[in-house]
Amino acid sequence: AQTVTQSQPEMSVQEAETVTLSCTYDTSESDYYLFWYKQPPSRQMILVIRQEAYKQQNATENRFSVNFQKAAKSFSLKISDSQLGDAAMYFCAYRRSFYNQGGKLIFGQGTELSVKP
Amino acid sequence: EAQVTQNPRYLITVTGKKLTVTCSQNMNHEYMSWYRQDPGLGLRQIYYSMNVEVTDKGDVPEGYKVSRKEKRNFPLILESPSPNQTSLYFCASRTIAGRGYEQYFGPGTRLTVT
Repeated sequence: AQTVTQSQPEMSVQEAETVTLSCTYDTSESDYYLFWYKQPPSRQMILVIRQEAYKQQNATENRFSVNFQKAAKSFSLKISDSQLGDAAMYFCAYRRSFYNQGGKLIFGQGTELSVKP
Repeated sequence: EAQVTQNPRYLITVTGKKLTVTCSQNMNHEYMSWYRQDPGLGLRQIYYSMNVEVTDKGDVPEGYKVSRKEKRNFPLILESPSPNQTSLYFCASRTIAGRGYEQYFGPGTRLTVT
């Protein structure tokens, strides 16, 4: 069974600085997707960034980028120029490429990020 | 506006009193699912549906029921709620066309069972 692990329950960053959130996963599949979701105090789940396993290039979305290490099964999220609005719970998630159990997302435990002014 | 709606957003109930949390999407998505979120555990899938009248268990289905009589609606039913079902619940939907990346989440329902 696939698993996703976020080993940092809490992280803190100074405004305008850079922070990296860690995520590791375990799978025997070769084709899958990885995601980072942001959950602000409103509790809404917001997709931040996604990575397709077959793509070697790391995904980027404005100030958000990932470091995808397929062999190491690692998928970290880097937030550059951190802003107060980045404070939230961040979840790493995995999904198989072909729908199985409806394309179930498997989530990590979450990392609570605080941003200090 | 493309969205997934859930009702109610907050619910406090007592043990054993049947309740239903509704979920509706306006994107004609085939796939819908329910997740529960608990501290330290992330989100876990309860039930999912691939299309009308097609439903199956996820990872934590005990104590829950679902139905999919219409494509847009996927209600979650707790026949006899217990305190261990106190949680934050999310409904989600996505298309199964193409690579169907993005899963759209509802706003969440905070359920407390006393």
